[in-house]
Amino acid sequence: DGGITQSPKYLFRKEGQNVTLSCEQNLNHDAMYWYRQDPGQGLRLIYYSQIVNDFQKGDIAEGYSVSREKKESFPLTVTSAQKNPTAFYLCASKGNKRYEQYFGPGTRLTVT
Amino acid sequence: QQQVKQSPQSLIVQKGGISIINCAYENTAFDYFPWYQQFPGKGPALLIAIRPDVSEKKEGRFTISFNKSAKQFSLHIMDSQPGDSATYFCAASGGTYKYIFGTGTRLKVLA
Repeated sequence: DGGITQSPKYLFRKEGQNVTLSCEQNLNHDAMYWYRQDPGQGLRLIYYSQIVNDFQKGDIAEGYSVSREKKESFPLTVTSAQKNPTAFYLCASKGNKRYEQYFGPGTRLTVT
Repeated sequence: QQQVKQSPQSLIVQKGGISIINCAYENTAFDYFPWYQQFPGKGPALLIAIRPDVSEKKEGRFTISFNKSAKQFSLHIMDSQPGDSATYFCAASGGTYKYIFGTGTRLKVLA
C-alpha cells in the first residue's frame, strides 16, 4: 500500500524534553511538509522540504527542527524551546509533477 | 496577500440539503485550489481541486465553483448526508511548494 505513515499516533512528554515525530512515505514524492493544527486555527506550516538534504522554514518554525537525509523520511523534532508544543502534527507529501498534497494520519502530542 | 479567508466557521445543514462553504484569496499568482475533508483525529483527505482555467468542477455530490475575477471559490455539497459531517479546508497554491490553508469549516449534517 502506498501512503504516508506517522508514528506514534499519540505521544506524551514532560515539559523540557525534546521529542521526535516520525514521517515516512513510499509514494516517491519529492516534497514533504510538516504542519501544526490547533483548534480553530487551521493548518500552519512548520517546515517543508523540496528535495533530500534541503528544507525551508515555514510560518512557525521556531522551536522545531527537521532533517531530510532520505527521500522517504522527514522527521520533526519538537524542542524544549517550543513554548506551546501540545498540538496535532500532520505530515504531508507532494509529487514533483503533480499539485496534489497528501496527508498522513497525524500525531497528537501532549506535553505536560 | 498570502491569506485565504474561509467562511462560515461552522455550518449546520439538514440531511438532503445543500452545504456551501466559501473561500476568498488575494494573491493572483495562485493557480491551484483544493478542498480537503477532515474527520476528527484523522489527517485531511483531498476531496476535489480546481485550476483557474475552468469555472466549475463536479465530482459526484461535490462541486467547486470558481470566480476568477472576484478571487473567490466555493464548495457545494449536494444532498448532504450525516456522513459528510467533518471539517472542510480550502487551500491555495501557486508558483511555490507552499500551500495556504483556510481556517476550516465544521459541517454538521442533521439526520
